[in-house]
Amino acid sequence: AQSVTQLDSHVSVSEGTPVLLRCNYSSSYSPSLFWYVQHPNKGLQLLLKYTSAATLVKGINGFEAEFKKSETSFHLTKPSAHMSDAAEYFCVVSDPAASKLTFGTGTRLQVTL
Amino acid sequence: DADVTQTPRNRITKTGKRIMLECSQTKGHDRMYWYRQDPGLGLRLIYYSFDVKDINKGEISDGYSVSRQAQAKFSLSLESAIPNQTALYFCATSDSLAGRDTDTQYFGPGTRLTVL
Repeated sequence: AQSVTQLDSHVSVSEGTPVLLRCNYSSSYSPSLFWYVQHPNKGLQLLLKYTSAATLVKGINGFEAEFKKSETSFHLTKPSAHMSDAAEYFCVVSDPAASKLTFGTGTRLQVTL
Repeated sequence: DADVTQTPRNRITKTGKRIMLECSQTKGHDRMYWYRQDPGLGLRLIYYSFDVKDINKGEISDGYSVSRQAQAKFSLSLESAIPNQTALYFCATSDSLAGRDTDTQYFGPGTRLTVL
């Protein structure tokens, strides 16, 4: 069985300051891990994906995530937040054998002036 | 992702009514999925299909049925809608071909369903 825990349901940052969205996972095999973003009234967009090629994964819009096996974490970061980053972010783990995704409960990122 | 479309985008219906949500894709993927999103719960899998002749229940299939009419089309039906089926519904696709990115799923824009 696999699971994902997003440690914060809401995160608020000021524009121009760093963003950290935390995710821990549990999996009985080497998982693929994803971050998806959902802007208001929009579908889900893939931000980045980890597949064991490199522990630091760069995504779109300046986001990156680091896979830490010893900590079973896959935290999402961005050096400088922009107003357009305000959205809900989902950490997701894949069961490759079953081609199924398990979603975290989401973190809503608020960016203030 | 414009390659995955869902109709309708919004729907309000009454308890007991039958409703169908439709999903079409032009990505050429063979695998399709239906999820529902509820606030604070993330996305949960309702049904999935790995090809036209393959239908599988997800974690919350009770009260729902699906039809895979073609490789590109996957419909979700609520035979008798109830208020706790009010949610945002997403269709997704993925590719199964060896050598491709087989576990990334691509999502449609969602259908917001309200059952009164």
